Amino acid sequence: GAVVSQHPSWVICKSGTSVKIECRSLDFQATTMFWYRQFPKQSLMLMATSNEGSKATYEQGVEKDKFLINHASLTLSTLTVTSAHPEDSSFYICLLDGTGNNEQFFGPGTRLTVL
Amino acid sequence: SQKIEQNSEALNIQEGKTATLTCNYTNYSPAYLQWYRQDPGRGPVFLLLIRENEKEKRKERLKVTFDTTLKQSLFHITASQPADSATYLCALFTGGGNKLTFGTGTQLKVEL
Repeated sequence: GAVVSQHPSWVICKSGTSVKIECRSLDFQATTMFWYRQFPKQSLMLMATSNEGSKATYEQGVEKDKFLINHASLTLSTLTVTSAHPEDSSFYICLLDGTGNNEQFFGPGTRLTVL
Repeated sequence: SQKIEQNSEALNIQEGKTATLTCNYTNYSPAYLQWYRQDPGRGPVFLLLIRENEKEKRKERLKVTFDTTLKQSLFHITASQPADSATYLCALFTGGGNKLTFGTGTQLKVEL
């Protein structure tokens, strides 16, 4: 399978700061990238879908001005949590989708803790 | 409303036995269903994909069934080992663009 990295793997920040999370594919071109978050002992919840070169589509209840997504290339997507608050503390995971061949690959996840 | 349900309680079994996990869904018509394994603090790892026209899929000690009439998938691990202990998630392709919606997951513990 594809090698997907996320950076940072964990981050602790103060309330009110912004945090950028990178999702990078090392050997796979992803036309679509999905961002999920997972609260403790809960399942993965889709936040948004992004296609390279176009604006992201956000799920209901997810604030697009708070969670900024940039899908700059077929191998890089970033999620920026702006003005983070303790309730944003979660595990953020990207999922890469290939070009119509049903291959999808998760990143290893980023643990965000907002104090 | 749309739901994907998995056994919410942890499943404890003895080493060597077959573990069977259930995924039930309502108000979806998925073309594909996937099973993932997730270890604590890690991203999910893909295990198997089964299509709506397939009844069963196997991979080594894993077997998945897909009954679109019952709206249910069963995931079996034969000859289970302690290393199989993890949370197992089912996921459906829902809507357009290969969007994956996940079940709540079932925690499996294989004891010696």
